Amino acid sequence: GAVVSQHPSRVICKSGTSVKIECRSLDFQATTMFWYRQFPKQSLMLMATSNEGSKATYEQGVEKDKFLINHASLTLSTLTVTSAHPEDSSFYICSAPGTGGGYGYTFGSGTRLTVV
Amino acid sequence: GENVEQHPSTLSVQEGDSAVIKCTYSDSASNYFPWYKQELGKGPQLIIDIRSNVGEKKDQRIAVTLNKTAKHFSLHITETQPEDSAVYFCAASMGSGGYQKVTFGTGTKLQVIP
Repeated sequence: GAVVSQHPSRVICKSGTSVKIECRSLDFQATTMFWYRQFPKQSLMLMATSNEGSKATYEQGVEKDKFLINHASLTLSTLTVTSAHPEDSSFYICSAPGTGGGYGYTFGSGTRLTVV
Repeated sequence: GENVEQHPSTLSVQEGDSAVIKCTYSDSASNYFPWYKQELGKGPQLIIDIRSNVGEKKDQRIAVTLNKTAKHFSLHITETQPEDSAVYFCAASMGSGGYQKVTFGTGTKLQVIP
């Protein structure tokens, strides 16, 4: 089945630095990738939708200059948290539409970001 | 936009008993309803899904029902096992074309007591 590989699984960074999270579709082409943020014991909140070869679409309230998304190829989408602050600490998850006729979504394994 | 409500937020059952999680959605245009299981520190895993042209779907111990008129759908897990313990999320999407964003419910933490 479709697999989305997400790295790193955990990262700790200092305030003010930037962190890049990568999601790769391993055995299919992902022209679209959804990026979610999940706080402890809460649901997944969509941050943005990336499309290969075009600008990402951000949800209301999400700072596009802080959360840079790049979808440079059909198999790679990246999320960069710039000038990270402790409040950016969260679980970030990517998801791509599956190969089952467009229905179904495959999730990455998530990245636990801790900003100290 | 779509709004998905999920109940209960926590659920404890004895091993072997059944568990039922219920969700409602607001947008009648939604036509795809997946359920995800999320274990601690991991990404969600699809366990079952249903499309709006079907009222019920079953896969071994897991079943999902959909009532389009009432705009609610439910997850049923029978003969629960300790490994079923996790957080379960329902979701709704206008899945046609596959590139519509998914709206998640608030999650249900299921604990199966051995």
